[in-house]
Amino acid sequence: NAGVMQNPRHLVRRRGQEARLRCSPMKGHSHVYWYRQLPEEGLKFMVYLQKENIIDESGMPKERFSAEFPKEGPSILRIQQVVRGDSAAYFCASSPTKGVQETQYFGPGTRLLVL
Amino acid sequence: DAKTTQPNSMESNEEEPVHLPCNHSTISGTDYIHWYRQLPSQGPEYVIHGLTSNVNNRMASLAIAEDRKSSTLILHRATLRDAAVYYCILSGSGYSTLTFGKGTMLLVSP
Repeated sequence: NAGVMQNPRHLVRRRGQEARLRCSPMKGHSHVYWYRQLPEEGLKFMVYLQKENIIDESGMPKERFSAEFPKEGPSILRIQQVVRGDSAAYFCASSPTKGVQETQYFGPGTRLLVL
Repeated sequence: DAKTTQPNSMESNEEEPVHLPCNHSTISGTDYIHWYRQLPSQGPEYVIHGLTSNVNNRMASLAIAEDRKSSTLILHRATLRDAAVYYCILSGSGYSTLTFGKGTMLLVSP
């Protein structure tokens, strides 16, 4: 069973461009979580999605950031008009169900560098 | 979410046991205690979790205090590969988003 996959692993963008980060959850998992880790900081929750629904986006910046998890295909985290402060590692995790006891399985992350 | 307190760093020698403490004095009755770790340049990795009873798995043991206000992650024989940041996290909302603190950086010496 393949783990959580993220691509690209590294992404370089110039200020003002768009960044698209993809996350394929583990097989059978319908819950996806995105986290961001700024340089020298801890991981911060951004958004939690279930197939075709955003459940909790309380950690996502209100502007320029959006996320989706379509019925078919990977979850996408989209950052429009990137700025240098968006440079970070973005991790996605998946779980088979929701629940406070549920384990989350993390991907290797996408490291975004904004020039 | 209830808050956890961990030491910033700990050191260990290879093949010795390591006890990583976590205080969570405001834990509620429905909060699970999760431990994850993050090796350098990698995504977080699940280690273990529990509610009230002590738990063992192939990676580690989790000892939970009787009043649940603290817990200890036990690595029975540290290896160089165990050098990582270890996060103690409580989850008690309706679903399982994780609130990461600063964690404990474990250094393992040969």
